[in-house]
Amino acid sequence: QSVLTQPPSVSGAPGQRVTISCTGSSSNIGAGYDVHWYQQLPGTAPKLLIYDNRNRPSGVPDRFSGSKSGTSASLAITGLQAEDEADYYCQSYDSSLSAPYVFGTGTKVIVL
Amino acid sequence: EVQLVQSEAEVKRPGESLKISCKGSGYSLPSYWIAWVRQVPGQGLEWMGVIYLSDSDTRYRPSFQGQVTISADKSTKTAYLQWSSLKASDTAIYYCARRKVATTYYDYWGQGTLVTVSS
Repeated sequence: QSVLTQPPSVSGAPGQRVTISCTGSSSNIGAGYDVHWYQQLPGTAPKLLIYDNRNRPSGVPDRFSGSKSGTSASLAITGLQAEDEADYYCQSYDSSLSAPYVFGTGTKVIVL
Repeated sequence: EVQLVQSEAEVKRPGESLKISCKGSGYSLPSYWIAWVRQVPGQGLEWMGVIYLSDSDTRYRPSFQGQVTISADKSTKTAYLQWSSLKASDTAIYYCARRKVATTYYDYWGQGTLVTVSS
């Protein structure tokens, strides 16, 4: 059972904007720890998509953006493309756990 | 180019032992932790534990403590995950991932090793 909750799925038509929420608590996101996002394309390993709440590694399109507020964070994908269909996971640090690196429950993005 | 290359898929019987590997290249040794992350088919990501390559300092998620052993060979920048007695419930894809000291994100991931345990 993850301490970071995401919606199971979100969907949108090509070109639309979708957002994925990541809800935590006062011991992780709310404590000020950074949130990171990973994209997992079907049959492949996760790939870092956003780090430290809003930063994109080199090569990640600027269609992907991240934000954080309070005990939650969000990933937005604008100009949705068919190749964006994948699973997305948030990740943060939790000071209350002896396994402090926690992943969200994961969200499947479906391109209609 | 930074790469984490994992060992190939394995099929084992319950009770057998197994050691899988994750070899890093394209970066210098100091200041990196290597984590192991489990993904049961169709499910999410679960952090299992981590090792600091420079001195082999190791931490485990409590539910994996005593069930697996994480080790490393810093001379080859290789991390290992091993089981002494596999169970069917260990069937999963295991990923290694790199984290730089003083950060909390995993910037490079291995391609994954599928471990299938079946009688």
